[in-house]
Amino acid sequence: DAGVIQSPRHEVTEMGQEVTLRCKPISGHNSLFWYRQTMMRGLELLIYFNNNVPIDDSGMPEDRFSAKMPNASFSTLKIQPSEPRDSAVYFCASSREHYEQYFGPGTRLTVT
Amino acid sequence: AQSVTQLGSHVSVSEGALVLLRCNYSSSVPPYLFWYVQYPNQGLQLLLKYTSAATLVKGINGFEAEFKKSETSFHLTKPSAHMSDAAEYFCAVSAGGSARQLTFGSGTQLTVLP
Repeated sequence: DAGVIQSPRHEVTEMGQEVTLRCKPISGHNSLFWYRQTMMRGLELLIYFNNNVPIDDSGMPEDRFSAKMPNASFSTLKIQPSEPRDSAVYFCASSREHYEQYFGPGTRLTVT
Repeated sequence: AQSVTQLGSHVSVSEGALVLLRCNYSSSVPPYLFWYVQYPNQGLQLLLKYTSAATLVKGINGFEAEFKKSETSFHLTKPSAHMSDAAEYFCAVSAGGSARQLTFGSGTQLTVLP
């Protein structure tokens, strides 16, 4: 089975540019989670979806961040406009039952 | 609401020695508990989980953890450390039931000395 797939693995962009991160969850999983990891703040849950519907977006830092899940096999996290403080590793995770989440390899975002 | 406290952000052990990583949780409902491991430049990998069955849970790579309700703890142990165990370890709690969110601890970096 393929695991959670994220793209790109690395993204370097300039402040003010739009950034789109992509995630393909494990087939058959019905929950999808976006996290952000930084040295200062650790691992933070940004938003999660259940059956393609956003359930809790209280972790989204501000309106510059948006996430969509148009179907069960694809989700995006968009930052527009990006700022240097958005630099972090962004993880996508998915789960089915019993609550264990399976993480993707992450996207390392650098905003200069 | 749930929370997790991992005591010790850095732990060093000698190769072959016992590994003990501490995790205490707070939850208003019976919790589900997890340990994840993160190797450099990789995502988090599930080591083991407790979901209200046996209190002693065995995971991958020789790790195990014991759920102690009276102590609100879920410490991770391994009898004999290997160099390949060097990584960051995260404890996480879920409220169980219909809740799906995990609350993660701040992580413990394990160093294994030769």
